[in-house]
Amino acid sequence: EAQVTQNPRYLITVTGKKLTVTCSQNMNHEYMSWYRQDPGLGLRQIYYSMNVEVTDKGDVPEGYKVSRKEKRNFPLILESPSPNQTSLYFCASSFVKFTEAFFGQGTRLTVV
Amino acid sequence: AQKVTQAQTEISVVEKEDVTLDCVYETRDTTYYLFWYKQPPSGELVFLIRRNSFDEQNEISGRYSWNFQKSTSSFNFTITASQVVDSAVYFCALSTGTASKLTFGTGTRLQVTL
Repeated sequence: EAQVTQNPRYLITVTGKKLTVTCSQNMNHEYMSWYRQDPGLGLRQIYYSMNVEVTDKGDVPEGYKVSRKEKRNFPLILESPSPNQTSLYFCASSFVKFTEAFFGQGTRLTVV
Repeated sequence: AQKVTQAQTEISVVEKEDVTLDCVYETRDTTYYLFWYKQPPSGELVFLIRRNSFDEQNEISGRYSWNFQKSTSSFNFTITASQVVDSAVYFCALSTGTASKLTFGTGTRLQVTL
């Protein structure tokens, strides 16, 4: 089954404790990205990657890191999480640019 | 810079009513793509439609229809004879530029009641 898989689905952590949210797609998509969803703000892009080893900042990259060492994986790293990073996070992938994006199930992160 | 505006924050309708969700976009690019996504209460994002800037034909898919008008920079979504299962948050999005970034509107929450 074609899908984008994020883990974990839910995470509660403390300020400053490094965490990684994994994202994996099985569709051989070139394009992957991370979004955060906040009430009243819609989804905002954090980082995107157009191919292996090619990543760039989206609209809200501060406090986040990504890497794309393999085509299928695109982890999101929070080196020192803060409460303002409490949000719902989505990973997405698409075959190439401008095509339909497939989204993971979402990761609800709470930083206390 | 691109922008998507969904002015309707919440809409409530009674089942079988028709409802239109508005979407207005801004971009200076001549090539761009517009999307609608549905987010049901379970939280996942479901793709509904993609339309490119060179194709202004309206589209109908069952009870769903989309009206794309470049003259008013709008890409509105109509649900005919709404059903309770249509209750969700609907997002309009714009993709343009070399990075093909998806810019989302803030979403419209649709509540369909019996």
